[in-house]
Amino acid sequence: GQNIDQPTEMTATEGAIVQINCTYQTSGFNGLFWYQQHAGEAPTFLSYNVLDGLEEKGRFSSFLSRSKGYSYLLLKELQMKDSASYLCAVNGGDYKLSFGAGTTVTVRA
Amino acid sequence: GAVVSQHPSWVICKSGTSVKIECRSLDFQATTMFWYRQFPKQSLMLMATSNEGSKATYEQGVEKDKFLINHASLTLSTLTVTSAHPEDSSFYICSANEGMVTEAFFGQGTRLTVV
Repeated sequence: GQNIDQPTEMTATEGAIVQINCTYQTSGFNGLFWYQQHAGEAPTFLSYNVLDGLEEKGRFSSFLSRSKGYSYLLLKELQMKDSASYLCAVNGGDYKLSFGAGTTVTVRA
Repeated sequence: GAVVSQHPSWVICKSGTSVKIECRSLDFQATTMFWYRQFPKQSLMLMATSNEGSKATYEQGVEKDKFLINHASLTLSTLTVTSAHPEDSSFYICSANEGMVTEAFFGQGTRLTVV
């Protein structure tokens, strides 16, 4: 089976940094994704890691350690518009994605 | 990136009726599409894999006779919720992959409310 864990909620101040952790135990692994989802909308792609290490893309960075079954998404210089749910998803093969429950990030002024 | 269009965005139907949701890949061909369901404050749960020209593959616990999937062309998959009941009210989202690209492109989602 697939088991993907991430915190339920996080709160941070505008301009700050927040790190969302994700641990996974899956029967297969062909990459890990992070998606952003605003309420009532479809997820939008943020990042993809398949090799160990850090991927940086503007204010967002994502890290992967395959041996530890661990990833994190780092959001820098937080803005109010970053308030959303962040989903960790693992591609277990055949393009199937297994999603974590999502982390709701609330950015406060 | 590739575009996936889902229609309708929202639908309200009476209990016992059927509802069809369309998922189209607009600028690429998708031999495989995926259908997810998301209940409020929960994550996306994969319902089924839609395969062009063959039967869909359903995840455990998903009734194939209730959620009919048709993938008749390389750009269109449809999900029909048959004999809908209030407990079927949910957010349904499709996704597709372009060729060997690993990233999944999602449709806009369909908010189904059964009254």
